[in-house]
Amino acid sequence: QVQLVQSGAEVKKPGASVKVSCKAPGYTFSSYDINWVRLATGQGLEWMGWMNPNGDNPGSAQRFQGRVTLTRDTSISTAYMELSSLRSEDTALYYCVLGTVPHAFDIWGQGTMVTVSS
Amino acid sequence: QSALTQPASVSGSPGQSITISCTGTSSDIGSYNLVSWYQHHPGRAPKLMIYEAIQRPSGVSHRFSGSKSGNTASLTISGLQAEDEADYYCCSYAGSSNPWVFGGGTKLTVL
Repeated sequence: QVQLVQSGAEVKKPGASVKVSCKAPGYTFSSYDINWVRLATGQGLEWMGWMNPNGDNPGSAQRFQGRVTLTRDTSISTAYMELSSLRSEDTALYYCVLGTVPHAFDIWGQGTMVTVSS
Repeated sequence: QSALTQPASVSGSPGQSITISCTGTSSDIGSYNLVSWYQHHPGRAPKLMIYEAIQRPSGVSHRFSGSKSGNTASLTISGLQAEDEADYYCCSYAGSSNPWVFGGGTKLTVL
């Protein structure tokens, strides 16, 4: 089964950008959608965006449009989520997630903690 | 404010059954049978428990079941066990412009 390994925790200042990586050893992201979901302390899960197996036309939730960039490098089996113009409310645990069952998120990375603080 | 509404907390004793509701609108739950449920223990990644409203992934206990009626989906856990104590989130497809919306989460306490 595919496993997702994410990059380590980040601390950023307001206004900066963060780029989180999600590596899937042996998998080229060619079969399933890759999604990004975050969990802020005291808040619920929040879907941020996705990329289909073709890697074209990635989509994002309306509230993140213009701030989130989803990319991937199939040669190194890695997907990326970059979030710009960070603010304190973006402090959260960020997950990459594969959907191998229809219309759901079933294979999760371990999460990457992003802290935004001046 | 989350797009889907869940109770903040529910509780039950071991062996009992509980149901967690998830209320949306005719634009999400009411239009699609694409509701999923996730169990989250703090410090671990969330785990998929139900997909497509009623389907149970391989490996998930039969004690977990899902249903949907109108704009409301529900997760029922029968034969409560201590290990079921966790946060539970619902999620629904909401159309191509803003595809996936989550509920605010429900904390389940096993008394």
